Formats: sequence, structure tokens, C-alpha cells
Amino acid sequence: QKEVEQDPGPLSVPEGAIVSLNCTYSNSAFQYFMWYRQYSRKGPELLMYTYSSGNKEDGRFTAQVDKSSKYISLFIRDSQPSDSATYLCAMGDSNDYKLSFGAGTTVTVRA
Amino acid sequence: DAGITQSPRHKVTETGTPVTLRCHQTENHRYMYWYRQDPGHGLRLIHYSYGVKDTDKGEVSDGYSVSRSKTEDFLLTLESATSSQTSVYFCAISRDRANTQYFGPGTRLTVL
Repeated sequence: QKEVEQDPGPLSVPEGAIVSLNCTYSNSAFQYFMWYRQYSRKGPELLMYTYSSGNKEDGRFTAQVDKSSKYISLFIRDSQPSDSATYLCAMGDSNDYKLSFGAGTTVTVRA
Repeated sequence: DAGITQSPRHKVTETGTPVTLRCHQTENHRYMYWYRQDPGHGLRLIHYSYGVKDTDKGEVSDGYSVSRSKTEDFLLTLESATSSQTSVYFCAISRDRANTQYFGPGTRLTVL
């Protein structure tokens, strides 16, 4: 079993829909939770960062962390064609040098 | 790209030749990482560095070596390239361990 599980999709939604992405994990020591967006043939770019549990909102993006369920989510409201990308979750704990990444979910927003 | 450059951006080489990829940062971050990204495998950590001359192996380190003689530069060497090392290679940097990483633009390597 992988340390971080993420449904690879693909996910296709119409413009304006809410996109819901999620990851589950097994390591209860994880404290840092991130979402990255990766456009085709580009490097991953940091989208959202959350420390420990709770919600964080940034414009159309909301990240949620539920440590009791070992589950994190990313919601994209009013999705746009420019949101079409692969979204990767990542997490880490302060006792390790590395992050654990999900496999990424490919999202297409249809105009 | 948070002050990270990778060179070359594209490279085609032949099996058995050595290849060196360079990652250069202007952020003065302590931690640097090399990943490869392949369809169906996601991002896989090759090697990482936690300071000048301090490096360690990741999950797919066989056939790769690294060096870091300066804070700003992290080199990845394929000692004798094989076709299985055809991939996209990303460098990442981080100020604190296991925390937010910032990625470079990637190097697309093809080994024929």
C-alpha cells in the first residue's frame, strides 16, 4: 500500500462546476499538507499549503485537512478552462527530509 | 519558478554515455532534491541534499549520483545512461525539511 493514495482520474467537468480532489494517507506523523498544480510540460507549482488540520481558502481554492480521518481535499469553485492541469497532493513531517506525493489527478475543464 | 533554473532543458543522448544535469537556485535554500517523473509513477525522489556536501539517496537512486559543492548548485549525474532513464527530471528546493518545495522547470532527457 502506498503512503499517499490519490485517484489519478481523469476528471472532466464543465466550466463553472466545482472540482473536488482528495488524497488519503497512512502516516499519522504528517503535519504539512500541500497541493501542487502542474500544467503540461511544466514543473509543479505550489497552489495551497496547510499546516496540521483545518481549512484554508485562497480565492476560488479551498484546502481541507482532516487528520483524524487521514484525508485531505482540494476544492476549486467556478472552475475555468485554465484550471485544466494535473493536481498533486504532497505531505511531510518534521522528522523527515522528504515529502510524500500522490500520483496526481488530471483535471479537464470543458468550455 | 522561485529562482530555480535547470540545464539543459532538453537532451538526447546515447546508451552508455555519462550525463550531468544541473540545478541552480538563487534562493539560498538549504535543501535540494532531484526527482524523476514518469507516466504511471508520479514523482519519484532520486537523491536529495541537506547542505553543502551532504547528500542522501531517495527511492530510485540506482544508476545516479549527485554532488553539491555550493549552496546554489546541485548536480545529478547518470554514470552510464540507459533507456530506462529516459524521463523528465525535476529539481526542487526547500527552506525547511519536509516542508514546502519549489520546483524547477524540468529537464526532458531521452536516452536512445
